[in-house]
Amino acid sequence: AQSVTQLDSHVSVSEGTPVLLRCNYSSSYSPSLFWYVQHPNKGLQLLLKYTSAATLVKGINGFEAEFKKSETSFHLTKPSAHMSDAAEYFCVVSPTGSARQLTFGSGTQLTVLP
Amino acid sequence: KAGVTQTPRYLIKTRGQQVTLSCSPISGHRSVSWYQQTPGQGLQFLFEYFSETQRNKGNFPGRFSGRQFSNSRSEMNVSTLELGDSALYLCASTGGGRSSTDTQYFGPGTRLTVL
Repeated sequence: AQSVTQLDSHVSVSEGTPVLLRCNYSSSYSPSLFWYVQHPNKGLQLLLKYTSAATLVKGINGFEAEFKKSETSFHLTKPSAHMSDAAEYFCVVSPTGSARQLTFGSGTQLTVLP
Repeated sequence: KAGVTQTPRYLIKTRGQQVTLSCSPISGHRSVSWYQQTPGQGLQFLFEYFSETQRNKGNFPGRFSGRQFSNSRSEMNVSTLELGDSALYLCASTGGGRSSTDTQYFGPGTRLTVL
């Protein structure tokens, strides 16, 4: 069985400061890990995905995440927050062999203050 | 390429009724998955269809069902609606391979309200 835990339900940062959204995972297999973003009244958009090719994954809009097997973590970072980054972020795990039965974290609401 | 489309976007029903939601995947995509999003339970997997066959199923009661047509469009049906079925229903499509690294592309969702 696999699961993800997003350690913060809400994160608030000032515009121009770094963003850190934390995610720990649990999986019996070597997992694939994803970060999705959801803006209000919109569907989910993929930010980035880890597929075991490289532990540091770069995504869209300046986001990146680092896979740390020893810590079972996949934290999402961005050097400088922008107002348009305000949204809900989901850490997602997909175990090998179960291609589309995604397991979502509970989400982290990111607020960006002017 | 057009994205995943879902119709209708908003729906209001009363308890006991049934509802059908529709999802059109990205052209060429053969797999469609459905998810339910609620404030209390978050995002939960309902089921996945590929080549008109249900390939995976989440832990939902039999009132939730779906199907897929030969053009890969999918519908999900909820019978005997309960208040707790009020949710955002999201559908996602992908190419269809079994690789867990395939990207799922999500539609905007259908907001179902049960009164």
